[in-house]
Amino acid sequence: DVKVTQSSRYLVKRTGEKVFLECVQDMDHENMFWYRQDPGLGLRLIYFSYDVKMKEKGDIPEGYSVSREKKERFSLILESASTNQTSMYLCASSSPRGTSTDTQYFGPGTRLTVL
Amino acid sequence: GESVGLHLPTLSVQEGDNSIINCAYSNSASDYFIWYKQESGKGPQFIIDIRSNMDKRQGQRVTVLLNKTVKHLSLQIAATQPGDSAVYFCAESKAAGNKLTFGGGTRVLVKP
Repeated sequence: DVKVTQSSRYLVKRTGEKVFLECVQDMDHENMFWYRQDPGLGLRLIYFSYDVKMKEKGDIPEGYSVSREKKERFSLILESASTNQTSMYLCASSSPRGTSTDTQYFGPGTRLTVL
Repeated sequence: GESVGLHLPTLSVQEGDNSIINCAYSNSASDYFIWYKQESGKGPQFIIDIRSNMDKRQGQRVTVLLNKTVKHLSLQIAATQPGDSAVYFCAESKAAGNKLTFGGGTRVLVKP
């Protein structure tokens, strides 16, 4: 089974803190994604990566950055956390499009609260 | 921008009945569609997918129907069970890449 893990299930930070959210997948997937999920807004794509050291902006990249130094790990960084970044953060991974497994597989999520 | 949406935010279903969850999409270039199930406190879980060259696909107790003419997607769950209570999301992908655009979700409540 595909396994996507996230470093924390719950996280509480203060405004202005630097926050790291880590995601690891064990299926040698090429693609990794970070989303945030808010009530009534569904899942919104923050950043994604098609390969090591590659990153692409999603629909709402402002206030976030990412790092992909190894294939299995994709980190989301909040340089200076703000209260409007309180949300559920979901990581996902998939194989490249056109392969048999281009479905995205999700981790359990990290619920971040910024005070 | 283009989006994927849902008609009903909450669906109450009697245990044993069939459920139908609907989704409208606006991007005619989309060629891949997925349904996810998200239980409380968990990440979305893949249920079933369909490509645009098909109009129906069946899985275990689930069927996805795609009507490209009216840009409509539906998920049918047969003999709904209490374990089916969750939020269901549809998502679409354009031909050029692997990015998904998600709908807002429909909550399914199964009544005993």
